Amino acid sequence: QLQLQESGPGLVKPSETLSLTCTVSGGSISRSSFYWGWIRQPPGKGLDWIGSIYYSGSTYYNPSLKSRVTISVDTSKNQFSLKLSSVTAADTAVYYCTKQLGGIAVGVDNWGQGTLVTVSS
Amino acid sequence: QSVLTQPPSMSGAPGQRVTISCTGSSSNIGAHYDVHWYQQLPGTAPKLLIYDNTNRPSGVPDRFSGSKSGTSASLAITGLQAEDEADYYCQSFDSSLSRVLFGGGTKLTVL
Repeated sequence: QLQLQESGPGLVKPSETLSLTCTVSGGSISRSSFYWGWIRQPPGKGLDWIGSIYYSGSTYYNPSLKSRVTISVDTSKNQFSLKLSSVTAADTAVYYCTKQLGGIAVGVDNWGQGTLVTVSS
Repeated sequence: QSVLTQPPSMSGAPGQRVTISCTGSSSNIGAHYDVHWYQQLPGTAPKLLIYDNTNRPSGVPDRFSGSKSGTSASLAITGLQAEDEADYYCQSFDSSLSRVLFGGGTKLTVL
């Protein structure tokens, strides 16, 4: 059974870069025709799609975050990562790593448990 | 304000039927992109409830059903149960924005 697990700092200072890694177990990123991605949820608010990456490296990003976001994949470690630069308090959220059923327009059938990242000095 | 519009809240008594709407536009739902639905229980990650407008993943009760018409989609829950109290989100893709969209979410209360 495929499992996703987020890891990374729970506290990031304003203006710094938020970095998270998602480790995939129970399946191989490189042998799968799926999009892998990141979705966040600010406390008490709705879901906000950050971006998605194909195992080959092709990416889609939320236009409102595109200038600050980089999503990359490391097939040798079966991991993919998120970097969000110049963070502010508005970036405080639970961050979920995800796997989509297939292409970019399809549903998300696997979610990590989520990790809370707080932006504060 | 979300590009996909959902009612912020809805309620129903046990056993009743509720329908949650998700309204989009000609560049997303109306452009034939599929709609997917998620259920989020308090303190947990969202769970895929309906994919590709009408399909239920294995393990999802048939009390949950989805439909799509024009620029809108709906999630219907029949035989409402206390355990259905949760937040529900719709999702689609927008071709003009080239991005994945989520609705703002609907908080369902079982009275």
